[in-house]
Amino acid sequence: EAGVVQSPRYKIIEKKQPVAFWCNPISGHNTLYWYLQNLGQGPELLIRYENEEAVDDSQLPKDRFSAERLKGVDSTLKIQPAELGDSAVYLCASSLAVGEQFFGPGTRLTVL
Amino acid sequence: GESVGLHLPTLSVQEGDNSIINCAYSNSASDYFIWYKQESGKGPQFIIDIRSNMDKRQGQRVTVLLNKTVKHLSLQIAATQPGDSAVYFCAEKQGAQKLVFGQGTRLTINP
Repeated sequence: EAGVVQSPRYKIIEKKQPVAFWCNPISGHNTLYWYLQNLGQGPELLIRYENEEAVDDSQLPKDRFSAERLKGVDSTLKIQPAELGDSAVYLCASSLAVGEQFFGPGTRLTVL
Repeated sequence: GESVGLHLPTLSVQEGDNSIINCAYSNSASDYFIWYKQESGKGPQFIIDIRSNMDKRQGQRVTVLLNKTVKHLSLQIAATQPGDSAVYFCAEKQGAQKLVFGQGTRLTINP
């Protein structure tokens, strides 16, 4: 069975440009998470979805970040405009309603 | 605020030796902890978990110890192998599904 799929794996953009990341969770997992991971740090939750509903977006910087999971399956995280400090790895994870979170490989974003 | 942190950022051990990775937490109400392994270019991978009603749990070559008195947990890896090289995170579950991760310890294996 395929794990959590993320694309692209790497993205390099100039500051002030928009960027989007895509995640496809494990089939059947209704809960989807986006995490931010800075170099040498642990992942930090940005947003959690249960089906298509964002149930925890308290850590999402809403001035420039947005996310959607319109059909309750795959999800997109967007940054517009990107800033230098947004350079990091963006991880997606999924789980059943209550259970182990499975992480994707992440998208490494570099903002120049 | 509440946090989960690690004592050491790096750990270097000889192949075949045992490794011990430590983690401190600050929320005395925490009742569930998970250790993750993250290899380069990959997402974190579940290793082992422990609930607060336990003080020890064993898996294959790994043991997690929980000391609630001093709010400390550790991950012990027996007979460390080159494939164990990675960054190890402890994480605390807050609420139903929210994980709070510590900083991470990089484990390197010397041949």
